[in-house]
Amino acid sequence: DAKTTQPNSMESNEEEPVHLPCNHSTISGTDYIHWYRQLPSQGPEYVIHGLTSNVNNRMASLAIAEDRKSSTLILHRATLRDAAVYYCILRDQFNAGNMLTFGGGTRLMVKP
Amino acid sequence: DGGITQSPKYLFRKEGQNVTLSCEQNLNHDAMYWYRQDPGQGLRLIYYSQIVNDFQKGDIAEGYSVSREKKESFPLTVTSAQKNPTAFYLCASSRFGVNYGYTFGSGTRLTVV
Repeated sequence: DAKTTQPNSMESNEEEPVHLPCNHSTISGTDYIHWYRQLPSQGPEYVIHGLTSNVNNRMASLAIAEDRKSSTLILHRATLRDAAVYYCILRDQFNAGNMLTFGGGTRLMVKP
Repeated sequence: DGGITQSPKYLFRKEGQNVTLSCEQNLNHDAMYWYRQDPGQGLRLIYYSQIVNDFQKGDIAEGYSVSREKKESFPLTVTSAQKNPTAFYLCASSRFGVNYGYTFGSGTRLTVV
């Protein structure tokens, strides 16, 4: 699976937008971009995924660069409950098991 | 409500003992997975199963065993051969295919005493 690079940590103020970057310069044409987040002492939670086009759901938006070498997870108004580790993961549809492979993620801290 | 249940939430094991962690899902998902997480680290794949009666080793399968006799259940046994079993264990399930997300359980925290 292609690798992703994320900042180790980021800070945000409550009720402000947050842009979490992810670089994946070796992405292949068949890789989907998935985002998960993990709150303290809990299992990860699916956030959003996409292939080429930008995606929106109730939790967040995913902006994918035109060349697909990077993407950004956008939280429109950060709350204290958004403080978590956010993982950007590539999933190759031709990978035999299609498993999620987790990197270190970005620890988001939200200040009141 | 559909979901995935792990039990127990906390588990203490004496050195040299085998322990089994339970994972049950009622989401009708074909695939199930076990991950291990050490403090401050990401998740590492132990075993996965895409269909009943079949499973594959992940990146760190040594010292662990699994079974998949029913679609709903995927128990993980931590054997005495696992030299450093203290960790947070997470089970997940999904429909097969990259266009589906994983649903994770709330985890079991295993401590060797």
